[in-house]
Amino acid sequence: AQKVTQAQTEISVVEKEDVTLDCVYETRDTTYYLFWYKQPPSGELVFLIRRNSFDEQNEISGRYSWNFQKSTSSFNFTITASQVVDSAVYFCALSGTYKYIFGTGTRLKVLA
Amino acid sequence: DARVTQTPRHKVTEMGQEVTMRCQPILGHNTVFWYRQTMMQGLELLAYFRNRAPLDDSGMPKDRFSAEMPDATLATLKIQPSEPRDSAVYFCASGFHSGEGTGELFFGEGSRLTVL
Repeated sequence: AQKVTQAQTEISVVEKEDVTLDCVYETRDTTYYLFWYKQPPSGELVFLIRRNSFDEQNEISGRYSWNFQKSTSSFNFTITASQVVDSAVYFCALSGTYKYIFGTGTRLKVLA
Repeated sequence: DARVTQTPRHKVTEMGQEVTMRCQPILGHNTVFWYRQTMMQGLELLAYFRNRAPLDDSGMPKDRFSAEMPDATLATLKIQPSEPRDSAVYFCASGFHSGEGTGELFFGEGSRLTVL
């Protein structure tokens, strides 16, 4: 069975704080993709990053970084020096042979 | 800009009525997904098509929901009869599937359904 778990329902931070969003997944597929998507208050879903199951290199893009650890089945997302514009719901997702499933999302509130 | 187009954007209907939502995926994409978003359930996968063939609709209530893809430019999600608990935002998304999985999904703006 495939499953994506985002245990943090809601996180509040003060602007400029760093914040990490957790994602744990389960799959029987040997090859798969992992993703993060952002859903701002306007409601659209925006792709942020994709990782292939064979590529465990961490990635940094500006204030965003992602840590993929196959040994713990985790794909965590860190925002450094958070800003109010980062306030959104963030979804982790898993794509395998026959499924493309999302976690329940983490609502991030960044307070000025 | 290529994008996924969903209609209607908003629909208010009465319990028992039929509702049809339509989606035009991005040309060249070979996978289409329907998701339902509610506050309690997050993004729930309803149906998954690859090369227009249904691969997975296990998340869809079969007695009232149906999903089809009559051609490569149109996917439909139908609810008959609708119930108040079907009130949600329904998203269509398309992407490209290689041997390892489907990559980035492009989402439509969603259809907000309210069943009274």
